[in-house]
Order: sequence, then C-alpha cells, then structure tokens
Amino acid sequence: EAAVTQSPRSKVAVTGGKVTLSCHQTNNHDYMYWYRQDTGHGLRLIHYSYVADSTEKGDIPDGYKASRPSQENFSLILELASLSQTAVYFCASSDGTGDYAEQFFGPGTRLTVL
Amino acid sequence: GDSVTQTEGPVTVSESESLIINCTYSATSIAYPNLFWYVRYPGEGLQLLLKVITAGQKGSSRGFEATYNKETTSFHLQKASVQESDSAVYYCALGQSSGSWQLIFGSGTQLTVMP
Repeated sequence: EAAVTQSPRSKVAVTGGKVTLSCHQTNNHDYMYWYRQDTGHGLRLIHYSYVADSTEKGDIPDGYKASRPSQENFSLILELASLSQTAVYFCASSDGTGDYAEQFFGPGTRLTVL
Repeated sequence: GDSVTQTEGPVTVSESESLIINCTYSATSIAYPNLFWYVRYPGEGLQLLLKVITAGQKGSSRGFEATYNKETTSFHLQKASVQESDSAVYYCALGQSSGSWQLIFGSGTQLTVMP
C-alpha cells in the first residue's frame, strides 16, 4: 500500500484561482516536503515541515503557502494561480533521523494553469 | 551554492548494452554530503535506487552501481547490461543528514531501452 499519496493526480486551474494540493503519508515521518518539477529542471523545494502546525520556506516559496495540520497531512496552497505555476508537484516524507536523508515520494500532481 | 549536474537526456540504448549516466555535484555548504540515485517509472513517484553516504564507497541495486568520488565530485550511474524494464527517468541527488534533510536534485535523465 502506497505510503505517500497525493490528490488530485491532475488538475486544470484558471489564472487567479485558488488551488490546493493535498498530501497524506502513513510512514509516521516527521518531515514532509513539497517540490515542483519543470521540464528540463530537477525537483526544486517549495516548502517543508518538520512538525505539525509549522512550515518552513524552501528555495522557491514565492506564490505558495503550505499547511501541516497533522503529522500525516501536508497541503500546498496557491492563492492566486499563475501560468508560471504550471508544473508537476511532488510531495515527500522523511524520517529526519539516522545516517542519511532518504525521502519517500508520492506519485505527483500535474497542475496546468490556463 | 549546492548543485547537481547530470547527463542531459533523452538517452536511448539497446537492450543488453552498457549504460553510464554522468553526475557531478557541488556541495559548498554541506560538510558531509550524502549521494543518491532516484528512479521514476511512468505514472509513479520517485523511488530510491541506491545511496552512498561515505566518500570512496560504492552503492549497488538492481544491477546498477555508483561510486562516490570526492576528488572528482562525481557519482556516475552505471549498468553493464540494461533491460527494457529499466526505461525510466533517473535523478541524481545530493543531501545532508541534518538540518532540513533537504535533497538537491539534478534535472533528470530520461532513459529508453529498445528491445
């Protein structure tokens, strides 16, 4: 059974509209992440969280908000969607302990803003 | 800053041929970088293929190998004989086992293996 799930799997949104992407993990991990991927680029970190009710900015947070209401759930919110936010979005979770920084990923959400 | 550069795709090889996907990294703010190869099969999320956390060591999985070379700052992915089922996108990534535990990814290499 998939340990990191995302919804929706794909979405078409209109410019200026509000979009919420959801992520749920059953790994019992403290860390959760939101990345975006654009064609020809690697995954870039938008926001992350290491505890419920707290979020941190990643490398490209502008235009995005995040919410972590519980350990299992992490949402990415686009208050005013723009064309430049068309991309594939990945959620991931990590234990945040141990010798290495392995992350476990969801299947991705393809967002198209028109 | 910290960054990862890998072979630009797409890469097409025939079944049973050998494969190398190049990856070099820059870790200016990470004292002890961990290195990873992730793979993304169609319709699925990224999954860890192999990892190495100590310079000089080699990681291996499913016939793939990669050696963490601190002198050349490289972590090339190799396989002696590819199969059609290896067709996927491969990502090299750099991380640290502290702080945000963030991963820094290369742009990905689309591999197609022809039967």
